[in-house]
Amino acid sequence: DAGITQSPRHKVTETGTPVTLRCHQTENHRYMYWYRQDPGHGLRLIHYSYGVKDTDKGEVSDGYSVSRSKTEDFLLTLESATSSQTSVYFCAISGARSGRAHEQYFGPGTRLTVT
Amino acid sequence: QQQVKQSPQSLIVQKGGISIINCAYENTAFDYFPWYQQFPGKGPALLIAIRPDVSEKKEGRFTISFNKSAKQFSLHIMDSQPGDSATYFCAAWANFGNEKLTFGTGTRLTIIP
Repeated sequence: DAGITQSPRHKVTETGTPVTLRCHQTENHRYMYWYRQDPGHGLRLIHYSYGVKDTDKGEVSDGYSVSRSKTEDFLLTLESATSSQTSVYFCAISGARSGRAHEQYFGPGTRLTVT
Repeated sequence: QQQVKQSPQSLIVQKGGISIINCAYENTAFDYFPWYQQFPGKGPALLIAIRPDVSEKKEGRFTISFNKSAKQFSLHIMDSQPGDSATYFCAAWANFGNEKLTFGTGTRLTIIP
């Protein structure tokens, strides 16, 4: 158990509504990531953070924003949800155990459905 | 642009057999290659990883074979068991400043009795 939780675990929302997903970690990892998982695409990086208030875009960042105001929390916001954002979202963390960013540990995921 | 290509998409193996999943990459800057295992409804879990300075790494029934010249690496599961049924992802990491993993598209492995 890497000490990582995600909330909510399931959410159904309507097109056009804002949605915020939360990732919480308890092991002081420096790096945090948000991925989406879709059939045929594997895991694609949305945004990541390399420290408090330090974030950068991944390969599928359009329509998403993130914030990290403290080490333990990384928030993913869909400003205006669309059906194409229906997916399973995973948070990942790395850096605390070895100082290396590449050993990533994943949370349990959030299944988001946009109707 | 997919930088890590994974095959096959799905694989069925009999119990006790050898499961083999292959990945190929293009970027020669990649220097760390992990494999993740994911069970339904769970997040991916780091299974085994290799650096390009070795050609093979073994942990229990799981082995990574690495061919640097061909830019390919593969996961071998010996004596495959029904409990190994899961989706497997290969990935690659380049240590050139942006701390990101690039994932393959995944292989759904089913072990039949």
